[in-house]
Amino acid sequence: GAVVSQHPSRVICKSGTSVKIECRSLDFQATTMFWYRQFPKQSLMLMATSNEGSKATYEQGVEKDKFLINHASLTLSTLTVTSAHPEDSSFYICSAAGSGGSGANVLTFGAGSRLTVL
Amino acid sequence: AQSVTQLGSHVSVSEGALVLLRCNYSSSVPPYLFWYVQYPNQGLQLLLKYTTGATLVKGINGFEAEFKKSETSFHLTKPSAHMSDAAEYFCAVSAALTGGGNKLTFGTGTQLKVEL
Repeated sequence: GAVVSQHPSRVICKSGTSVKIECRSLDFQATTMFWYRQFPKQSLMLMATSNEGSKATYEQGVEKDKFLINHASLTLSTLTVTSAHPEDSSFYICSAAGSGGSGANVLTFGAGSRLTVL
Repeated sequence: AQSVTQLGSHVSVSEGALVLLRCNYSSSVPPYLFWYVQYPNQGLQLLLKYTTGATLVKGINGFEAEFKKSETSFHLTKPSAHMSDAAEYFCAVSAALTGGGNKLTFGTGTQLKVEL
């Protein structure tokens, strides 16, 4: 089945630094990738939708300059948390949808990346 | 606009007992409905989905869900709980007509605990 690899699974950084999280579709081409943020014991909140070769579409309230998303190829999307602060500490999850198929494309989720900002 | 309500943030059952996790949705267009399971510090795994056709949907690990349009519900059930079923379960909805089966709106999740 479809596999999405997310890296790193855990990252700890100092306040003020930037962190990049990668999301790769391993055995399919992902025309669309989604980035979610999950706070402890809460649901997933969609941050942005990225389409290969175009700018990401951010959800209301998500700072695009803070959370930089790049979807340069059909198998890779990256989320960069710039100038990270402790309040950015969270579990970030990506998901990918393949091209073609029915309108009910099934998302494949990565295993998530836990960011801790000290 | 779409939304999902999961009744009960925590559900506890005995091993071997029936599992029932409730999900109600709101959608202005025909919905696609999904159930996902999440184990600690992991991503989400699809249990089952409803798109069109048969309203009783069978998924992995013995789970099933029934789409009831009149009740706007998509409750998840399993006849006999197993210890390995302990996890967080999320119900999600997306819009079918726009081909937006990818943009999901999640419920707040239900933590299932299975006791001996």
